[in-house]
This record gives sequence, structure tokens and C-alpha cells, in this order.
Amino acid sequence: GQQVMQIPQYQHVQEGEDFTTYCNSSTTLSNIQWYKQRPGGHPVFLIQLVKSGEVKKQKRLTFQFGEAKKNSSLHITATQTTDVGTYFCAGLTYAGGTSYGKLTFGQGTILTVHP
Amino acid sequence: NAGVTQTPKFQVLKTGQSMTLQCAQDMNHEYMSWYRQDPGMGLRLIHYSVGAGITDQGEVPNGYNVSRSTTEDFPLRLLSAAPSQTSVYFCASSYSAPRGGSNSPLHFGNGTRLTVT
Repeated sequence: GQQVMQIPQYQHVQEGEDFTTYCNSSTTLSNIQWYKQRPGGHPVFLIQLVKSGEVKKQKRLTFQFGEAKKNSSLHITATQTTDVGTYFCAGLTYAGGTSYGKLTFGQGTILTVHP
Repeated sequence: NAGVTQTPKFQVLKTGQSMTLQCAQDMNHEYMSWYRQDPGMGLRLIHYSVGAGITDQGEVPNGYNVSRSTTEDFPLRLLSAAPSQTSVYFCASSYSAPRGGSNSPLHFGNGTRLTVT
């Protein structure tokens, strides 16, 4: 079945350092979504990438979708303590026709930021 | 709008007991789903529904039942709890069921932390 691998599993950074998490899919994706889960909280949608090679930015966060639509990355510039949490990617595969897409989450990257 | 509401927040069961986790959304969302979250495993889909009266299995459906009699409610039933079902359970909904191209994002409830002893 479809697999979405996310690395690293953990990342500890000093405040002000950059952070990147990577997702790789075994199959071509229709789109990829990113979610953030604060400690003790629930996942919250950040962004969706649909087009091959797409790059989107949200303030200090940069999201990329690979040319082959099999990988994606989230980069945070100059981390802050408010960035602490678990970041999940979720890749959508879709067979077309009357079927429904299948959204598969990566394992998540737990980010801790030391002030 | 309250969004997605899950109850209870915490639950402790003994092996073999049954219970129902409640999920309700007030956003008139078509799609509802249940995930379980375990350390290092990400979020795994248990069951999902693309509308009232329509449900289907996800990645890890064994030991769980669902029904969708109304658009708003999507309860998850544990038939005979086992320690392997100790987890955090999230209900999530979206405006429409996922298909190709751009999709509606998932809105998650606050979760239910379940412990089975």
C-alpha cells in the first residue's frame, strides 16, 4: 500500500536555528497537506500543495512539492519557541473516476526549540 | 460554530469492555473520519464516511465499528476493548470527501485519550 515516510522523527534546535522536515511517498501524489500539532493539542491544517514543483511561503515557513510529486519539505527559518510541536505531512493519492482519494499521514517530526 | 466536538476527553476501560466515542460537527461537512495516533506511527485512518448512511474502512478498522445516521454525528464504537487499542483518537471532518486536485482541509476535534488495562 501507499507509504509516506517522514524524517527526521525528532529535531532539537536552538532558538534562531533553521529546521527542515522531509516527506517521501512511494507513489505519485495528487496533493500534499501539512499539519501542525502543538503539545497536547490536535492537528491543525497549515497548507496544501497541488502542483509539481510548487513552493509556498507562510511568514518563516516555506513548503515545497517535488517535481515528481513524490516528496515534499517544510522549512522553518529562524525558529521560535512558538514553533514547538509535531509537524505532519499527509499525501493524497487518487485513482480517479467515482472513487475517493486516500490521505496517508507521515509519522510526524517532533520539533523542540531551546530558548 | 463549535467545529468538531469529541467526547469524552479521557477514558479508561478494562479489557473486554465496550464503549462509544462521540464525534459531532456543526459545519455541515460531508466527510468525517476517525484516526488513532500512536507514538512514532503518525495518524492512521480507522473508518471514514463520505455522507450520511455511507461508511467505509480505513487502514486499521479491526475492532471498531462506525455509523453515520446524520450529517453531524459520526460515533466510533469499540466492541471489546483490548490493550492494543490504547491510543489517542481524533475525529476529523472536511467540507468534501478527498478527491484529486485541491481538497478541503481536515478539521480535527480535540481528541480522546483512551487507556485499556
